[in-house]
Amino acid sequence: GAGVSQSPSNKVTEKGKDVELRCDPISGHTALYWYRQSLGQGLEFLIYFQGNSAPDKSGLPSDRFSAERTGGSVSTLTIQRTQQEDSAVYLCASSLGSPGQGTEAFFGQGTRLTVV
Amino acid sequence: AQTVTQSQPEMSVQEAETVTLSCTYDTSESDYYLFWYKQPPSRQMILVIRQEAYKQQNATENRFSVNFQKAAKSFSLKISDSQLGDAAMYFCASQGAQKLVFGQGTRLTINP
Repeated sequence: GAGVSQSPSNKVTEKGKDVELRCDPISGHTALYWYRQSLGQGLEFLIYFQGNSAPDKSGLPSDRFSAERTGGSVSTLTIQRTQQEDSAVYLCASSLGSPGQGTEAFFGQGTRLTVV
Repeated sequence: AQTVTQSQPEMSVQEAETVTLSCTYDTSESDYYLFWYKQPPSRQMILVIRQEAYKQQNATENRFSVNFQKAAKSFSLKISDSQLGDAAMYFCASQGAQKLVFGQGTRLTINP
């Protein structure tokens, strides 16, 4: 595809349910990032993948959050037993090189998660 | 650790005038990059400008330029001849070897 694709674009779920958010990066991009953006706030770093490996998981807020990336491409962010404070926009970005190379990150449109 | 601080939650400017958005950062890394991204109401993040920390010369992109003060760890964005389409959230970001970290953002309003 031409850009980073995230699905679903919107998700409403009941408190306590599990959700999966998907990110399809730009083809050939080795680095992939997940961020959380609460209403009108900044981007909170969650996790970074280089290929299929996650060198930095330090931003995951709790053990209810997990992420994986397969085939160096698609990534899934899973939130178990969702809570109302998980409501936010989840943004995914990919870049051609590793962070140390300073390449531009391209963002998806995000998934707006609402926990009711 | 990497941190980015934007101390101006909101700014406004008259159309055609110049505005400067502030950003300070902290990093323990010697090699890093700094960015300004723009997020319009559509939510699509767009790169505005990029600066390599090892370069002393300030980056410029048309109406957008930065004032990079490495010793002070300051990285401000100047927008000249502001246009209505510049209205957006602006995020300053620092990229080290392992992660890309963003500030809290500054909401810029352009007054016609």
